[in-house]
Amino acid sequence: SQKIEQNSEALNIQEGKTATLTCNYTNYSPAYLQWYRQDPGRGPVFLLLIRENEKEKRKERLKVTFDTTLKQSLFHITASQPADSATYLCALDKTGNAGNMLTFGGGTRLMVKP
Amino acid sequence: DAGITQSPRYKITETGRQVTLMCHQTWSHSYMFWYRQDLGHGLRLIYYSAAADITDKGEVPDGYVVSRSKTENFPLTLESATRSQTSVYFCASSNVRVASGDTQYFGPGTRLTVL
Repeated sequence: SQKIEQNSEALNIQEGKTATLTCNYTNYSPAYLQWYRQDPGRGPVFLLLIRENEKEKRKERLKVTFDTTLKQSLFHITASQPADSATYLCALDKTGNAGNMLTFGGGTRLMVKP
Repeated sequence: DAGITQSPRYKITETGRQVTLMCHQTWSHSYMFWYRQDLGHGLRLIYYSAAADITDKGEVPDGYVVSRSKTENFPLTLESATRSQTSVYFCASSNVRVASGDTQYFGPGTRLTVL
C-alpha cells in the first residue's frame, strides 16, 4: 500500500543550528512533493514545491531535496530561530496529473530552543 | 482579501444530530477540499470538488455529504454525527495550474466535538 512517513517524534534543536526533517514514501511515483508548515490551531501553509526532475530547491533559509531513487525528501531550515517552531508536513500527489489530489504525511514537530 | 474562511470555528453537538460546516473562498479557485485531522492520522481527505456541481469522494467519505452549487462555497454536512467524527476539519482550495503544482490554501479549521 502507499505510505508517506515522517518522524512522528518531535525534533528539538538549538537556535542557529540547521534543522533537517525527513519525508519517506513507498509505492508512489509522485510528480512533485510539497512542504507545508502548520502552527497550533491553524491550517497548513504552503512553503515549497519540488518536482521529480529537480534535485534541490531553495527559498531563503529553506532548502528541500528530492531523491526519487531513495524515495525521500529532506527539508532543511538553516540558522533556525524559535519562530520556526511548528509542525512541518510533506505532501505528494499520486499521479502528477493536473488537479490531482495530495496525500499528506503525519508531520514532524520542530522545536527550536533559544 | 478574505481568502478562505470556515464557520463555525468551534462546534459542540450531540450524537445523531446533523451538522453543517461551511467553507467560503474569495479567489474563485476551481478545486476545493475537505480534510479531517486527527492525532496519529494526519490530514485525511474526505471529499473534494473540481468545480461547481462536481464532487468526488476522498479517503474517508463515509458519514459525510458535500455539495457545491457555487464556486466559492463548499459545505460539509455530517448527516448523523457520531463520536468518531470528533476532529478538526480543514477546508482548502487550489487553482490548478501546472506551474503551481496544485498548491493548496487552507482555512483556519473547525474544531468539532460530538458528545
